[in-house]
Amino acid sequence: GDSVTQMEGPVTLSEEAFLTINCTYTATGYPSLFWYVQYPGEGLQLLLKATKADDKGSNKGFEATYRKETTSFHLEKGSVQVSDSAVYFCALSPSMEYGNKLVFGAGTILRVKS
Amino acid sequence: DGGITQSPKYLFRKEGQNVTLSCEQNLNHDAMYWYRQDPGQGLRLIYYSQIVNDFQKGDIAEGYSVSREKKESFPLTVTSAQKNPTAFYLCASSIDLRGSEQYFGPGTRLTVT
Repeated sequence: GDSVTQMEGPVTLSEEAFLTINCTYTATGYPSLFWYVQYPGEGLQLLLKATKADDKGSNKGFEATYRKETTSFHLEKGSVQVSDSAVYFCALSPSMEYGNKLVFGAGTILRVKS
Repeated sequence: DGGITQSPKYLFRKEGQNVTLSCEQNLNHDAMYWYRQDPGQGLRLIYYSQIVNDFQKGDIAEGYSVSREKKESFPLTVTSAQKNPTAFYLCASSIDLRGSEQYFGPGTRLTVT
């Protein structure tokens, strides 16, 4: 079945460091891909998305590129801040067919130290 | 402001009692979802609904029930049959089920003792 695998955390970085959180997926067809962020005690917020191969999603300095050849959607940010500390979830929507739902990875905890 | 509200934020119940979690949205979305989140794990889908008076089981529906009498509302009942009900419950909605992104509420943390 469809699945998402994320790198295990926690990831601990110093402020202004470069961030990469790896995400790979298994899916049939042409899924849409998403990154969500969850701050402590809150719900999830959509961070960015990509709907087809080679699309780049970006928001708030975060970027991720849909790589069909490597089935990956790695999240990157050039310079992290303490306020970026959160849990990051990679997710896919299996295809554009009606009736499909999000499949989530396990989440990666990011801790940024000042 | 458009969004999803869940109430209450924290809920405490005794074992053996049923409890209902509220979820309301004013985004005019057709589809709504309930997820369960346990520490260190991703989200698991409990139930979803694509239209009023229709809902489908997700991956972990046992011990839960839902209703969808109004487009705006999708309450979740955690029954006494759910063996491990203590968790963080998240409600979400999307325009429809056609691969569109989902918008999440703030969640309800349920503790059963």
